[in-house]
Amino acid sequence: EVQLLESGGDLVQPGGSLRLSCAASGFTFSSYAMSWVRQAPGKGLEWVSTISGSGSNTYYADSVKGRFTISRDNSRNTLYLQMSSLRAEDTAVYYCAKISTFRRGDFDYWGQGTLVTVSS
Amino acid sequence: QSVLTQPPSVSGAPGQRVTISCTGSSSNIGAGFDVHWYQQLPGTAPKLLISGNYNRPSGVPDRFSGSKSGTSASLAITGLQAEDEADYYCQSYDSSLWVFGGGTKLTVL
Repeated sequence: EVQLLESGGDLVQPGGSLRLSCAASGFTFSSYAMSWVRQAPGKGLEWVSTISGSGSNTYYADSVKGRFTISRDNSRNTLYLQMSSLRAEDTAVYYCAKISTFRRGDFDYWGQGTLVTVSS
Repeated sequence: QSVLTQPPSVSGAPGQRVTISCTGSSSNIGAGFDVHWYQQLPGTAPKLLISGNYNRPSGVPDRFSGSKSGTSASLAITGLQAEDEADYYCQSYDSSLWVFGGGTKLTVL
């Protein structure tokens, strides 16, 4: 059974930094691209970032480019999102999601999410 | 402003059929990229409902179906049930990056 478990969400001040983690199990982690998708309170889903299975290719939404860094440790089956220069508009539940295949581009499994609140 | 446009809300009585549209452009749906649909029940994470325009993952009832034509796609739900009350999102690629529709809240009357 595929499981994705996010952690690391917290209350942080504007301009601060935070690192999210997503522990994966139930599939061959290194074989699949992984993503972060966020949802601001009462709002819709927003794609944030994607990393290829090997970690060699990364992609970012314009809203986070230059501030967020996605990475993975395939030996630990763990996905990360390093967030810096955080803004109030980054407040959201952050979901980690597995991509079925790059060609198709759908998110076939999701974690339960972790809440990041940016406020002074 | 989402790249993919969905109606903010739709509603229907139990047993009825409803459809949710997802309108894109020549840089996403019209470029031939697949459309996927997700269901988000209140207080839970999204769940893949329709993959690759019309494919249902294992466990998804056949009351849910997807279609795509030109620059648009649609999700149809037949035999509406109270448990279908949720937010629904379409998703595709645009300029090789992932994009979502703004979401549609389905209310079962």
